[in-house]
Amino acid sequence: DVQLVESGGALVQPGGSLRLSCAASGFTFSPHWMNWVRQAPGKGLEWVAYINPDGSEKSYVDSVRGRFTISRDNAKNSLYLQMNGLRAEDTALYYCVRTPRLFDSWGQGTLVTVSS
Amino acid sequence: VVMSQSPLSLPVTLGQPASISCRSSQWLVYSDGNTFLNWFHQRPGQSPRRLIYQVSNRDSGVPDRFSGSGSGTDFTLTISRVEAEDVGVYYCVQGTHLPFTFGQGTKLEI
Repeated sequence: DVQLVESGGALVQPGGSLRLSCAASGFTFSPHWMNWVRQAPGKGLEWVAYINPDGSEKSYVDSVRGRFTISRDNAKNSLYLQMNGLRAEDTALYYCVRTPRLFDSWGQGTLVTVSS
Repeated sequence: VVMSQSPLSLPVTLGQPASISCRSSQWLVYSDGNTFLNWFHQRPGQSPRRLIYQVSNRDSGVPDRFSGSGSGTDFTLTISRVEAEDVGVYYCVQGTHLPFTFGQGTKLEI
């Protein structure tokens, strides 16, 4: 079975940084494009970023471009999201999701709270 | 691309049909001819689960009472007979145009 397990969420002050990780198992990670999707408390879903299999192609939603960086390590079957310059509006549950355009498998999410 | 779902709240009776509309502000046919319109169900405290991909393809394990239809800019998720386990929020998402965008969600309650 496909498993995506996120970690790294925490309470952080505005302007701070955080690195999220997603450990993938149950499938061959390296050929798959991957996404991050977030959900603010009590709100809807927002696509954040995607990355292609070798990391050479990335795309971001405008609200995070220049502050967040998506990356991956295929040898470790892991996906990452480096978040800098965090703002209160970045507070959300962050999901690791397989396959841009199709969003076929989701992790359980890791909670990021940005507050002083 | 703006995705507009209706209704946003859907009270239903067990055993009765239900349908949710999703309209996009742009045509959702991708350059390869595919239409990347997907439907998800999210129960409280759980991750979203995909039900339907590319308009009308039901995911493995999804009951056949769920069906998707539509084309271009107008899409519909239909539940032929609502069961108690169907409560929660339903989202459509378009994966054709960047940035990928979700509908606001439709809360189905019995």
